[in-house]
Amino acid sequence: DGGITQSPKYLFRKEGQNVTLSCEQNLNHDAMYWYRQDPGQGLRLIYYSQIVNDFQKGDIAEGYSVSREKKESFPLTVTSAQKNPTAFYLCASSIGTGSGTGELFFGEGSRLTVL
Amino acid sequence: DQQVKQNSPSLSVQEGRISILNCDYTNSMFDYFLWYKKYPAEGPTFLISISSIKDKNEDGRFTVFLNKSAKHLSLHIVPSQPGDSAVYFCAAHELEGNDMRFGAGTRLTVKP
Repeated sequence: DGGITQSPKYLFRKEGQNVTLSCEQNLNHDAMYWYRQDPGQGLRLIYYSQIVNDFQKGDIAEGYSVSREKKESFPLTVTSAQKNPTAFYLCASSIGTGSGTGELFFGEGSRLTVL
Repeated sequence: DQQVKQNSPSLSVQEGRISILNCDYTNSMFDYFLWYKKYPAEGPTFLISISSIKDKNEDGRFTVFLNKSAKHLSLHIVPSQPGDSAVYFCAAHELEGNDMRFGAGTRLTVKP
């Protein structure tokens, strides 16, 4: 089945620790994204990547880092510099810029809780 | 700067009636508008979209209307079913843009 796989689904971390969220897609999509969802707010863009070895900051990139070494993979690291990391994180992919409606395909999300 | 706004955080309707979810935007450069449906602890799934060159798009029970002059779009669900109960996000992006903007979502509850 084609789709996006995020892991882990639930993650707990202590303050001051870095944590990496995995996102893998087998849809052969060029573009990948990380969003964060907080209660009462829309999805806010953290980082996105249009092509391998290239990525851009979204609206709330501070305290996060990403890499795009492979087309299929776009891991997100939540660093200790992120002041309020407890949230639901969503990874998504799309065919690419200017292609159709730009529909995003989302993973099932990862819920990070900082203790 | 919230470019896409959903001013109603929740909506409750009776099964069989029409559900109307509203969305406003500020960026006149948006070319595509999309609605996503989200269940708890799951990722959003695409529901329906509309291009800025159209004013209506219909898919089964779901119809999206776009009023460009008012920078407003709405999603109509008729008839509403209990399985439609979810959070609905409005989203928009420019043709060449990769940063899709989302509204805060509206939680729809359809009562049997």
